[in-house]
Amino acid sequence: QKEVEQNSGPLSVPEGAIASLNCTYSDRGSQSFFWYRQYSGKSPELIMFIYSNGDKEDGRFTAQLNKASQYVSLLIRDSQPSDSATYLCAVSSPGGANNLFFGTGTRLTVIP
Amino acid sequence: DAGVIQSPRHEVTEMGQEVTLRCKPISGHDYLFWYRQTMMRGLELLIYFNNNVPIDDSGMPEDRFSAKMPNASFSTLKIQPSEPRDSAVYFCASSSSMGGLAKNIQYFGAGTRLSVL
Repeated sequence: QKEVEQNSGPLSVPEGAIASLNCTYSDRGSQSFFWYRQYSGKSPELIMFIYSNGDKEDGRFTAQLNKASQYVSLLIRDSQPSDSATYLCAVSSPGGANNLFFGTGTRLTVIP
Repeated sequence: DAGVIQSPRHEVTEMGQEVTLRCKPISGHDYLFWYRQTMMRGLELLIYFNNNVPIDDSGMPEDRFSAKMPNASFSTLKIQPSEPRDSAVYFCASSSSMGGLAKNIQYFGAGTRLSVL
């Protein structure tokens, strides 16, 4: 079983809609959870991180964490064509090490 | 800060040649990571360092790959001899152990796109 699982997509949503990206992880010892965005031909860039159960909002982005279900999600409200990218979920290694486990990413396309 | 700096941005070489990729982490960061990204396998962790010491190299595919970090501001990833299946984008990332739970945030360089013919 992989440490982090994501639907590879592609996920297509119309402009203005809500895009929902999901991620599950296997190790209950993981403490920190991250969403990176990667445009085609570019490097991953951090857009959200969350540590506590519940929701965390930043502009049009909301990260949701449910540790009991080992589930992390990212909601993008009012999706824009510029949101079209691959979204990588990352989970911290348990035990205090600084490394992250990355999912394979979900490709999102926002249709104008 | 200039961020994580990688060089070269693109490398085209022939099978059997030695390839050296370079990385300068963000100043003050004490962790450095090397990743490889392909369409088939996604982002794979190859090796990471803490305070210039290799901590986990279990992701290094085989003995043809080696990595060094001679000081806090410089690391290299070397492939010798290179093979066509090594063609990929190689990313370097760095993070800091300070900052509580934010310590896990990794900042990526622009990557090196390697093509082995």
